[in-house]
Amino acid sequence: SYVLTQPPSVSVAPGKTARVTCGTDYFGSITVHWYQQRPGQAPVLLVYDDTDRASGISERFSGSNSGNTATLTISGVEAGDEADYYCQVWDASNDVYVFGPGTKVSV
Amino acid sequence: QMQLVQSGTEVKKPGASVKVSCKASGYTLTAYYLHWVRQAPGQGLEWMGWINPNAGGTNYAQKFEGRVTMTRDTSISTAYLELNGLTSDDSAVYFCARLATMGIQPKFDPWGQGTLVTVSS
Repeated sequence: SYVLTQPPSVSVAPGKTARVTCGTDYFGSITVHWYQQRPGQAPVLLVYDDTDRASGISERFSGSNSGNTATLTISGVEAGDEADYYCQVWDASNDVYVFGPGTKVSV
Repeated sequence: QMQLVQSGTEVKKPGASVKVSCKASGYTLTAYYLHWVRQAPGQGLEWMGWINPNAGGTNYAQKFEGRVTMTRDTSISTAYLELNGLTSDDSAVYFCARLATMGIQPKFDPWGQGTLVTVSS
């Protein structure tokens, strides 16, 4: 099964760009999804299939995947972006859903 | 607007069972798989399994096999998670989440608001 790694925390100044990474040995044909979880709230889908923004999500959120590292980029960071961010993949061979450990973004 | 509304906070003693509900609105429950994910205090997200609300089939994460049961009542558009043999390690917020099928690979959208389960003697 996939094991995903994320940095525990990322700190960024308002208006700057934050990058949150999600790594594994090799994603191959697997696509990565990203969720935002604000304190005390349920996760919200931000970006799916590496690069597609979910409905209603700001253009400031974007995603990429280089093969063994997926990246969520938050441009023009705002105070409201302070949250935990999780990556997630589907291990089709075992029909198991795997989350990364999460990254706390501090603004 | 698609929405999942979960039942309220539960406090259970060790060894007991808990049953959490998740009511779907704004879409037909039977049209999409429904997943359960939990989050222990200060920890990350842990996938528990899914139920196919149409046929009733299930797939549980190996960690929970033998202790978890996912069911549904289509007449009231509600899915259920039951967890037996509770220990303090099961204290967590339990989320239901609809499997979203747009795009290439499955993901979760939307999520329920979460149900806090506390296991304490």
